Amino acid sequence: SAVISQKPSRDICQRGTSLTIQCQVDSQVTMMFWYRQQPGQSLTLIATANQGSEATYESGFVIDKFPISRPNLTFSTLTVSNMSPEDSSIYLCSVGGQGRGNEKLFFGSGTQLSVL
Amino acid sequence: QKEVEQDPGPLSVPEGAIVSLNCTYSNSAFQYFMWYRQYSRKGPELLMYTYSSGNKEDGRFTAQVDKSSKYISLFIRDSQPSDSATYLCAMSAGGNNRLAFGKGNQVVVIP
Repeated sequence: SAVISQKPSRDICQRGTSLTIQCQVDSQVTMMFWYRQQPGQSLTLIATANQGSEATYESGFVIDKFPISRPNLTFSTLTVSNMSPEDSSIYLCSVGGQGRGNEKLFFGSGTQLSVL
Repeated sequence: QKEVEQDPGPLSVPEGAIVSLNCTYSNSAFQYFMWYRQYSRKGPELLMYTYSSGNKEDGRFTAQVDKSSKYISLFIRDSQPSDSATYLCAMSAGGNNRLAFGKGNQVVVIP
């Protein structure tokens, strides 16, 4: 298993500002994933963060809005830029586990973001 | 049609009852099926993991997969108040394919 520390745990931000969320893992991992969890909606993958290369973004998510850093194999950040109330959500960091692929995910506790 | 359908309606049961949750899916390539449990203000944690069709039992939890019907289920026997959480189904075709999640079921076990 992996222990994932994510911070901040929650924040209230003003429209137009940016927030950077940090994710620290207790072991080296190849891929880290950033998810969004909106009320009443499925967990949605934002992007996959690979060490040493640019993040891979899912359809509907762009680097200008959600820039990601992955400076080493245990750490990543997700920035939510130029925030609007529609960005209010829970943001989750996760890493792959022991499955043949990346099915067995471990998640951080999430960042509850509210944008006013 | 969504890839994964999970009725998000909250479910309240008395302590000791059997909880039955299910998801349907449309992608026949899915072969890995998971159930995650998420407590309030926590991230999801993997509860059950099944490859292909069949049943898997772990203590009070049983996961069933019926690939012919594209239907998966989670049963919780002798439910406890500590089982109160949101349960999310997830599935994948494997490899580096992304997981597809259901919306989650909120379960409340009443003492």
